[in-house]
Amino acid sequence: DAGVTQSPTHLIKTRGQQVTLRCSPKSGHDTVSWYQQALGQGPQFIFQYYEEEERQRGNFPDRFSGHQFPNYSSELNVNALLLGDSALYLCASSLYLPGLALNEQFFGPGTRLTVL
Amino acid sequence: QKEVEQNSGPLSVPEGAIASLNCTYSDRGSQSFFWYRQYSGKSPELIMSIYSNGDKEDGRFTAQLNKASQYVSLLIRDSQPSDSATYLCAVNTPYNFNKFYFGSGTKLNVKP
Repeated sequence: DAGVTQSPTHLIKTRGQQVTLRCSPKSGHDTVSWYQQALGQGPQFIFQYYEEEERQRGNFPDRFSGHQFPNYSSELNVNALLLGDSALYLCASSLYLPGLALNEQFFGPGTRLTVL
Repeated sequence: QKEVEQNSGPLSVPEGAIASLNCTYSDRGSQSFFWYRQYSGKSPELIMSIYSNGDKEDGRFTAQLNKASQYVSLLIRDSQPSDSATYLCAVNTPYNFNKFYFGSGTKLNVKP
């Protein structure tokens, strides 16, 4: 049973460039959430995708956008990169169970983005 | 006020001792509570989930939930140096489409 996978593992970009990160959810999961984790901080919620639509969004600018495909995989796009975008980007998947508490979320290995 | 608060630590305990990690949350509607372990440079790993008031035990780990006090804790018995990591508390509300709120984590050091 494959867990959550992400690619690439590491990425180095320069300010102003654009980046695309990819995520495949755990088998059987239909919801993908993206997080940004700066050094020494907890994961900060960027947005969540379900049924190919952005369902929730955290406090991130429009430079951060995403997509979910019919096979539940997802992409995170960041435009006009800033130095402050350097972080570990985490993808997490879960199975949406309306009204139920059993909604464990599992993380992928993350993509380390460095903006120079 | 942050949704989830944790003491950043570091919490230092000797090998074999009990480590106690604490977390408070602000949303009384929260119904699901999770503890993740994160080693340096790695992604968070889910180690415990708890949904009902009381204790839940899994091996050396015990999660404790008190919804009236909006308090969650994680006890690690017989702490090992391999338990040294940052422990993240997360809460979730079913009405919020599985949006998770994370604390900033408590760094645990287990000294041999």
